[in-house]
Amino acid sequence: GAVVSQHPSRVICKSGTSVKIECRSLDFQATTMFWYRQFPKQSLMLMATSNEGSKATYEQGVEKDKFLINHASLTLSTLTVTSAHPEDSSFYICSGPQGNEQFFGPGTRLTVL
Amino acid sequence: SQKIEQNSEALNIQEGKTATLTCNYTNYSPAYLQWYRQDPGRGPVFLLLIRENEKEKRKERLKVTFDTTLKQSLFHITASQPADSATYLCALVQGSNYQLIWGAGTKLIIKP
Repeated sequence: GAVVSQHPSRVICKSGTSVKIECRSLDFQATTMFWYRQFPKQSLMLMATSNEGSKATYEQGVEKDKFLINHASLTLSTLTVTSAHPEDSSFYICSGPQGNEQFFGPGTRLTVL
Repeated sequence: SQKIEQNSEALNIQEGKTATLTCNYTNYSPAYLQWYRQDPGRGPVFLLLIRENEKEKRKERLKVTFDTTLKQSLFHITASQPADSATYLCALVQGSNYQLIWGAGTKLIIKP
C-alpha cells in the first residue's frame, strides 16, 4: 500500500508557541489530504481538507486562523498550530486518498505545556 | 446527517474464537464502507472495503458483511489471536473527495 509519513512524531511545546506538522505522501501524489485530531479513546475528528494549490476547507468549529494548512505540493501538506494552548494537546493524523483507500500517517502527538 | 455507531465497550474474546464487531449507520447507504485497525498511538491502517452491492468480502481471517436493509456492517475475525487486539474503526465515504465519516471504534481484546 501507499505510504504517508508525518513529522515530527512527538512534540512538546510551551503555551503560546507555534508548531508545524508535516504530512508527506512518499510514493503517490495527493491533490487532497485530510487532517484529523483524535483525543484519547475518541474517534478521529476531521479538522480540514487540504487542497493542493487552493485554500483548505475547514470543518465547522475549527478555527482556520489557528490551524493553518498549506498544501505546497502534490506530496506535502503542513498543519501549523498557532499560539498553541494546553487544550490543543492531542494526536494529529493526516491521510491521503489513493483510489478508494485512505492511507494514514503515523500521527503526531502534540503536548502543550 | 449521517452518523455511525460502533459498540463503545471493549469486546473480550478468547483466543481461537471468532470476534464479531458491529457498525451501524443512520441515513443513506454509502457507496462503500471501510474497516480500519488502529493500535495505540498509531494512525489507522486500512483493512477491507465493501461496496453496497457486495454482501460479503473476505481477506485471510477477516470477513466483512454489508446489509443495506439493516444499515449495518459486521466485521469478523476468525481464529482470533492476541495480536488481533486493537481498536477497529468503521468508516463511510462522503463526497467525491473521499472524505470519511468515522465511528468511534470498538476496542477488541483477545485473551490467550
